[in-house]
Amino acid sequence: LAKTTQPISMDSYEGQEVNITCSHNNIATNDYITWYQQFPSQGPRFIIQGYKTKVTNEVASLFIPADRKSSTLSLPRVSLSDTAVYYCLFVSSGSARQLTFGSGTQLTVLP
Amino acid sequence: SQTIHQWPATLVQPVGSPLSLECTVEGTSNPNLYWYRQAAGRGLQLLFYSVGIGQISSEVPQNLSASRPQDRQFILSSKKLLLSDSGFYLCAWTSGRTAFYGYTFGSGTRLTVV
Repeated sequence: LAKTTQPISMDSYEGQEVNITCSHNNIATNDYITWYQQFPSQGPRFIIQGYKTKVTNEVASLFIPADRKSSTLSLPRVSLSDTAVYYCLFVSSGSARQLTFGSGTQLTVLP
Repeated sequence: SQTIHQWPATLVQPVGSPLSLECTVEGTSNPNLYWYRQAAGRGLQLLFYSVGIGQISSEVPQNLSASRPQDRQFILSSKKLLLSDSGFYLCAWTSGRTAFYGYTFGSGTRLTVV
């Protein structure tokens, strides 16, 4: 079963760009990479999803190189309210496989 | 629009007491429903999921059970709580049979077993 590896924690300062990298050496052909954000005492919230190259929405960008063995979530100009845990996961368009959440990356934005 | 309701928000229960947590979804039909548990400082563990009324799949053997008496209602239960049942319980739903279009989570229930 494909597994993701991401840093346990990261610190940043307000206004900086934050990049969180996720490694997934054995990603399957049908797998998409998806990221969720979780604030304390709340459920995770979907942020962004992609298959390859670059995806951008109003919240973040997702960069996936051609070999798809890693991906990078980019948060532009973070604020204190971006302090949260960020999870990197796989989803498959044709599979009923359920989401498996690891421990995620605790991002702390400092003033 | 679709909404998911989960209650209660917090619960303190003695060891050996029963448990019932309820989750309902509005604005959609035939959702896939999920119960996750999160221990302090840990990731989310999938406990149960359901693809239809009366259809329950269990991911881990434990002291808990789940039921889906109606299309948009999912209940997590226990006959006798253990200290290890403490945690943050989250209900989620997704359309169809796949997580591809994203999970929507409820606001969670913080359960403390004392």
